[in-house]
Order: sequence, then C-alpha cells, then structure tokens
Amino acid sequence: DAGVTQSPTHLIKTRGQQVTLRCSPISGHKSVSWYQQVLGQGPQFIFQYYEKEERGRGNFPDRFSARQFPNYSSELNVNALLLGDSALYLCASSLEGGSSSYEQYFGPGTRLTVT
Amino acid sequence: AQSVAQPEDQVKVAEGNPLTVKCTYSVSGNPYLFWYVQYPNRGLQFLLKYITGDNLVKGSYGFEAEFNKSQTSFHLKKPSALVSDSALYFCAVRDGGDYKLSFGAGTTVTVRA
Repeated sequence: DAGVTQSPTHLIKTRGQQVTLRCSPISGHKSVSWYQQVLGQGPQFIFQYYEKEERGRGNFPDRFSARQFPNYSSELNVNALLLGDSALYLCASSLEGGSSSYEQYFGPGTRLTVT
Repeated sequence: AQSVAQPEDQVKVAEGNPLTVKCTYSVSGNPYLFWYVQYPNRGLQFLLKYITGDNLVKGSYGFEAEFNKSQTSFHLKKPSALVSDSALYFCAVRDGGDYKLSFGAGTTVTVRA
C-alpha cells in the first residue's frame, strides 16, 4: 500500500506570498494532521482534521489554515509568509475516530524556504 | 498542558552495545506515548506506542520501551545496537482524549562500527 504522500517536495517563496501544501493520506485513514518542523527541533502540531472537520489546532497564527476534502486528502495554506515560516511541513494520517490512541503515519514532508 | 523532555541531545554507542534513549513526559490525564525515528531528509517512522497494559512495549526493528508511571518516563531501548540505527529519535505524548500530539526536541543516536 502507498504511504502518506505530500506535494511539492520543495518550495521556495518570497516573504508576503501565499503557499498551499498538499497531502494524501494512507487509504482507509480518515484523519490528517499537519506539523511544522524547524531545523533542530521536534515537530510542532498545527492542525488535525477528521471527516472534514477541524478537531484540534496548535498555537499558530490565523495565517495558517487547512481543509480536508471528501476523499480525505488535505491542504495546508499559509498566507503572508514570513522568514520564520521556513521549515519542513509534515503531514500524518491515522485510523483514529473516536480514540486518540492510534499512531500516526508521516509523509516525507514539504521543505518550504522563504526568502 | 502536555510536554515531553528528551534530556540528551546526542547518544553515542558502539555497535553491539545496548542503546537507551531517555524520555520524560508531563500530562494532566492518562498518557499515550509514542516513539518515532527520522532518517535524513525523510519523514518520521513509527516505532512503538504505549496506551495501556504491560509496561514493557515491544516495537519495530528490535526496539522496546518501558513505561514508568511513577517516574513519568518512557525510555527507548535496544539490547544490541546496529550502525543502521543511527538516526534522530523523537518521543511524543498525547493526553488521553486530546488529539494534539506533542514531540520532544529529539535525540541524535550515533552507533559506531
């Protein structure tokens, strides 16, 4: 089975621009989460979506938004990019529904560089 | 609030020796604990988890972890390390019932031949 896929692999944007990152979960997984991993740090939780509804949000500004589609794929949007938004953005999917005990499976990430 | 601490930035061991990567956590409810490994330019790979039950959890690639409630720890162990175990290891925790997953800062493991 295919794992979690993310596109694009790499992206270079200028300050003030907007970016959209895409994620396709493992087949059968209905939950998608997004994380930001800055170099030298652990991943930081941004959002979790389940059945197209936002179920959790981390401590990120409103410039960050996301959505989940009927096929359970997801997009992460970041507006008004800042230099500090440069990071590896990770998408993860899981089977969880009523329980948060399921492990998450991560994609390879999208490397965003803001200049 | 939930948090994870990995007190060692780096762990270095010789191949064939035991490997231990330390993790302590803080949650207000029941902890759901996870270990992940990250290879260069790759996403995170799931190794094992503790939800409930036996305090010793066995996972992928010969790794195991021991849950200790009194010490709020969840250390990752491997009896005999391989050079291929060299990677970045992350401990993560969820407060049971909360969907946010919090990661530690990571521990770089180097296994020398």
